[in-house]
Formats: sequence, C-alpha cells, structure tokens
Amino acid sequence: AQSVTQLGSHVSVSEGALVLLRCNYSSSVPPYLFWYVQYPNQGLQLLLKYTSAATLVKGINDFEAEFKKSETSFHLTKPSAHMSDAAEYFCAVSERDDKIIFGKGTRLHILP
Amino acid sequence: DAGVIQSPRHEVTEMGQEVTLRCKPISGHNSLFWYRQTMMRGLELLIYFNNNVPIDDSGMPEDRFSAKMPNASFSTLKIQPSEPRDSAVYFCASSSRRGNTEAFFGQGTRLTVV
Repeated sequence: AQSVTQLGSHVSVSEGALVLLRCNYSSSVPPYLFWYVQYPNQGLQLLLKYTSAATLVKGINDFEAEFKKSETSFHLTKPSAHMSDAAEYFCAVSERDDKIIFGKGTRLHILP
Repeated sequence: DAGVIQSPRHEVTEMGQEVTLRCKPISGHNSLFWYRQTMMRGLELLIYFNNNVPIDDSGMPEDRFSAKMPNASFSTLKIQPSEPRDSAVYFCASSSRRGNTEAFFGQGTRLTVV
C-alpha cells in the first residue's frame, strides 16, 4: 500500500530564504505525487503534481518539486520565501486510479 | 463550476446525537473521497467511491460511521451515535480518475461533539 512521510511537522525560514519541505513516499507501482497547501480554515489547494512526465515539476507561486525515484523522494522547494507562504503543506501519493494518501503535513513559518 | 460543496460548514452537536455531513462533488468527477483532519492524526482517508460505488472503506473508524453515494452528485457521511472524539474537520474531495488529475477539496465541515 502506498504511504507518505513528511520530515518535520514544523519548518521555519526567514523571508527571502530558500524553502525546502521534505517528502518521501512508498508505492508498489509508479506513483502520482502531489503537493497541496492549506491556509487556515480552508480546504486543500493543489500546488503541483507529478504524473510521470518531467521529473522537475513547476507549480504555482514559484514552487517546484523534483521526483527522484532512486531516493523515493518528492521534495518541495521555493527559492525565496514570502510571508504569504505561511501555511500547512501536504504531500500526497496515488497509485494510479486509486485512493490518494496524504502525509501528516508540514507547517511552514516565515520569519520576518 | 462552483467546486466541491460541503454542508454544513460548522456543526455542534451533543454526544449521542446523529450527525449527517453532506457533499456535492464537481460535476463530471467520478471519484469521491471523505477525509478527516485532526491535530493528532493529520488527514486520514475514511472512504472513497468510484462511480458511486464504495471501493475502500478501511479508514472508517467504527461502525458508528457510514457513508453513502446514492448518485453522482451527492454523498453523505453519517455518524450515529456521535462521540466527543469524533470532533474534527471533515473534508470531501472529488476527482476525475481517468488519467492523472488531482483531488479537488471542499471547504470542510468543522464538527464539534460536546
């Protein structure tokens, strides 16, 4: 069965610094991988997704993630953090036409 | 499309009462998911449907929980009887599972059982 591990339940970065949120997955077949963002009192919104095309995926708000099969990783990065990036971020995995399983989330704090 | 619509947005009920949460998926989507979000356990998949048929309900915590999808445009999650530990935010999401599309989430229902 597929699963997701997000390292670090809380990450703090300074405004303007690099954002790196880590995600490792487990899947028995080539997976689909997703990053979602959740702002307070809202549902989840898709940031980006990997669907077996390019391994470097670009999403909204300058976020990107790289699929590394050898490391079973799909880490999320952004070159320069903005105050508005403060939110909770979820990595998710899906085994093709199947359920979507989420990690426990990483809360990103932006320091002024 | 208005997106995934959940009702109510907030529900406060007394322990032992029946609670019904409702979801209208995006038109044309053929998969529907119910998730529960808590601080302790994160975002848990409770059950998902494909073409109105329950495919995997292994995440449903107890027999007190039940879900139905009588047609492609409506689903319910029922808790009977409710308990304080059921307090959480419940999300419904839908997707078009032909291909590689993501799940689209509703705004959630915040349930408080007192």
